[in-house]
Amino acid sequence: NAGVTQTPKFRVLKTGQSMTLLCAQDMNHEYMYWYRQDPGMGLRLIHYSVGEGTTAKGEVPDGYNVSRLKKQNFLLGLESAAPSQTSVYFCAVNEGVGTEAFFGQGTRLTVV
Amino acid sequence: LAKTTQPISMDSYEGQEVNITCSHNNIATNDYITWYQQFPSQGPRFIIQGYKTKVTNEVASLFIPADRKSSTLSLPRVSLSDTAVYYCLVGVDGGFKTIFGAGTRLFVKA
Repeated sequence: NAGVTQTPKFRVLKTGQSMTLLCAQDMNHEYMYWYRQDPGMGLRLIHYSVGEGTTAKGEVPDGYNVSRLKKQNFLLGLESAAPSQTSVYFCAVNEGVGTEAFFGQGTRLTVV
Repeated sequence: LAKTTQPISMDSYEGQEVNITCSHNNIATNDYITWYQQFPSQGPRFIIQGYKTKVTNEVASLFIPADRKSSTLSLPRVSLSDTAVYYCLVGVDGGFKTIFGAGTRLFVKA
């Protein structure tokens, strides 16, 4: 989706390394989400934010931290990567309750 | 938390109508029901959303019975390009804490 950009698109990490995934939106939406999707599985919510300066835990938050210092950016951090965090990570944004969500193209992360 | 149940997979042929049903027994009063489509290596894409009765747009219809404990996505005259995974989504905690289930893998054959 042109309005939601994820950086990087691919990354390989060694166990124990840290990294930050960036989600940037130009849609001026309040709500932003980070999901992970394992092979053949549905998306699972990691963390989300309902506005600048706010974050909250989703379904699978352990091992991840997030920050929303600016409205347009939502950062997902892995402090000490583990092989279990190998996945495709998707960012999504929407205006709020009951509205359509727009997704980024995903970040494929491999932890070896 | 509201949980959704969908068939794991479905097969169809080009030109047929496909109906995918989703169960959501614990849906809350303020929850919306939303369906997304996902192709391999892409993020999900919005298809349709509804609260009750019937909603129709240019690509699909969504049927929701009065008790709202289930919903049916209807895709008219599917084509090969409709082969994808379809997710039924029910908004929880006000709708912003979106939970995806495993989805239904639809395979359209020629």
